[in-house]
Amino acid sequence: VQLLESGGGLEQPGGSLRLSCAASGLTFNNFAMSWVRQAPGKGLEWVSSITGNGAYTYYADSVKGRFTISRDNSNNMLFLQMNSLRVEDTALYYCAKEGFATVPGGYYYYLDVWGKGTSVTVSS
Amino acid sequence: EIVLTQSPGTLSLSPGERATLSCRASHYVTTKYFAWYQQKPGQAPRLLIYGAFTRATGIPDRFSGSGSGTDLTLTISRVEPEDSAVYYCQHYGASPRFTFGQGTNLEI
Repeated sequence: VQLLESGGGLEQPGGSLRLSCAASGLTFNNFAMSWVRQAPGKGLEWVSSITGNGAYTYYADSVKGRFTISRDNSNNMLFLQMNSLRVEDTALYYCAKEGFATVPGGYYYYLDVWGKGTSVTVSS
Repeated sequence: EIVLTQSPGTLSLSPGERATLSCRASHYVTTKYFAWYQQKPGQAPRLLIYGAFTRATGIPDRFSGSGSGTDLTLTISRVEPEDSAVYYCQHYGASPRFTFGQGTNLEI
């Protein structure tokens, strides 16, 4: 399984960027996918997730209403549309595949494959 | 919302020593919903342990996960120089979906 992010760059506050993640080596629509970011010198922060069929999406409070996650299962692509960018959105953005396992009554998820990341800088 | 606190912040060991990394949750959670990741400088994180106890594919058996309730532990039985990295614990939940600890920097 390989994940390759693209679309990062330098953008002004208030601007927009669209990140992409190309997936290969897996049956893409079988797996939920996530975006995780890491600000320079900081730890990991989960940003957003989407189920395998795209029916359900989840967002961190810090990006809710500004970012939109989507996927194109016919082309094995994951996207993150980032609007109203803020300086604090500056980070390396990773695409990650969600693995899952069963527990009584349901499932739990974890991030078992990661891309190398794409850098987003928000600055005037 | 759960908060994960990792300790120590930095751990310095010599090769062959045992590393014990702690992750404490702010309230009781389902133990199986925890995972551990390793991140080396300039690299993406790598999954080490999921379900609190299960090693991911290709992870050496010197890495093990244990604990329950609010206290989870990652143990490296005999550290090697290549184990120098930052280690993160992570919890899966309803909201937010994933929460990470702040990381422990392991220096060998």
